Amino acid sequence: EIVLTQSPGTLSLSPGEGATLSCRASQMFGSNYLAWYVQKPGQAPRLLIYGASSRATGIPDRFSGSGSGTDFTLTINRLEPEDFAVYYCQQYGSSPTTFGQGTRLEIK
Amino acid sequence: QVQLQESGPGLVKPSQTLSLTCIVSGGSINSGNYYWSWIRQPAGKGPEWIGRIYFSGSTNYNPSLKSRLSMSVDTSKNQFSLELTSVTAADTAFYYCARSGRYGSDWYFDLWGRGTLVTVSS
Repeated sequence: EIVLTQSPGTLSLSPGEGATLSCRASQMFGSNYLAWYVQKPGQAPRLLIYGASSRATGIPDRFSGSGSGTDFTLTINRLEPEDFAVYYCQQYGSSPTTFGQGTRLEIK
Repeated sequence: QVQLQESGPGLVKPSQTLSLTCIVSGGSINSGNYYWSWIRQPAGKGPEWIGRIYFSGSTNYNPSLKSRLSMSVDTSKNQFSLELTSVTAADTAFYYCARSGRYGSDWYFDLWGRGTLVTVSS
């Protein structure tokens, strides 16, 4: 199965700053089938990005996804207080679908 | 709007069977547009996909769990279920039901239940 490695493990930033989160796959998978989720304490993950760069319904344009092959990036511009949470990537181009171990975005 | 709700015991003894049900409300599980999945997440770790079921009963399981796993669907009750046999402490996790698209191009999860914590302990 494909292993997704997210970096950094923890990212400490201040509101208003920009964040760059990385997701690297152990091998290529089909057609940029990469999604990003955000999870807040006590809640289920919530879909942010699918198809590597398409925003899910209701997701503000401060969130953007990019990348191809084995390297993908989630960029968050102008961090808001509610953005500080844990972010996961998921590949769905190869079965079984797999998730990364997460990047914790914390307030500096 | 469509909502998912997990239900089942929060505590299961080692070697026994973990059984959970996900009730779909606000929409029909019979919609041919979706697969219905189970996903689990140990505390402090990333999610792990367990398996999925289509309204017809067709299933796909994670190979790592396949030998212990069974999923079923009850369209009359608009719900689907999970059974995981011979559980150990390693099966302790939050268990979520979730919805994904029908095709490989949309096997991402756009709707999740709130999750339920299952602890395996004697």
